[in-house]
Amino acid sequence: DVKVTQSSRYLVKRTGEKVFLECVQDMDHENMFWYRQDPGLGLRLIYFSYDVKMKEKGDIPEGYSVSREKKERFSLILESASTNQTSMYLCASSPPWGAAYEQYFGPGTRLTVT
Amino acid sequence: RKEVEQDPGPFNVPEGATVAFNCTYSNSASQSFFWYRQDCRKEPKLLMSVYSSGNEDGRFTAQLNRASQYISLLIRDSKLSDSATYLCVAQGGKLIFGQGTELSVKP
Repeated sequence: DVKVTQSSRYLVKRTGEKVFLECVQDMDHENMFWYRQDPGLGLRLIYFSYDVKMKEKGDIPEGYSVSREKKERFSLILESASTNQTSMYLCASSPPWGAAYEQYFGPGTRLTVT
Repeated sequence: RKEVEQDPGPFNVPEGATVAFNCTYSNSASQSFFWYRQDCRKEPKLLMSVYSSGNEDGRFTAQLNRASQYISLLIRDSKLSDSATYLCVAQGGKLIFGQGTELSVKP
């Protein structure tokens, strides 16, 4: 079974703090993704990576950065957390483009910024 | 206009009912389509891919109409365990998710 794990299920941070969300997958997948999910807005892509040290902006990258130093690990960084970044954050991984395209999601991190 | 639009529901149906969800997508270059299922407070999981010829998996049938840019999911003989949010997804490069349709199946 593919497993995608995220470092925390729940996180509470203060405005202005630097926040690290970690994601690890064990299926040797090339692609990894970070989404946020908000009521009424659905899943929105923040950043994705198709290889180590590669990253691409998604639809809402402002206020976020990412790091992929190893194939299995993809980190999302909030440089200075703000209250509008309170959300559910979901990491996903998938085989390379063109393969049977299923994304496997982690359990999510519910982040609250106060 | 959202790239993938779904009726958010909720759809409240009795056990055994047939329920249909619809979805439209705006990017005619989208190549592949999927339905994902998301249980309450859980992550999304792939339910089924959607093919132009239509495809069936047990009680679930998915249809794609490229001319109308329309995707559907039909669930027959609904079970309590079908209660979840169903996400319509279009792929044209990256995946674009709809906001989801909530289904609640009651005894």
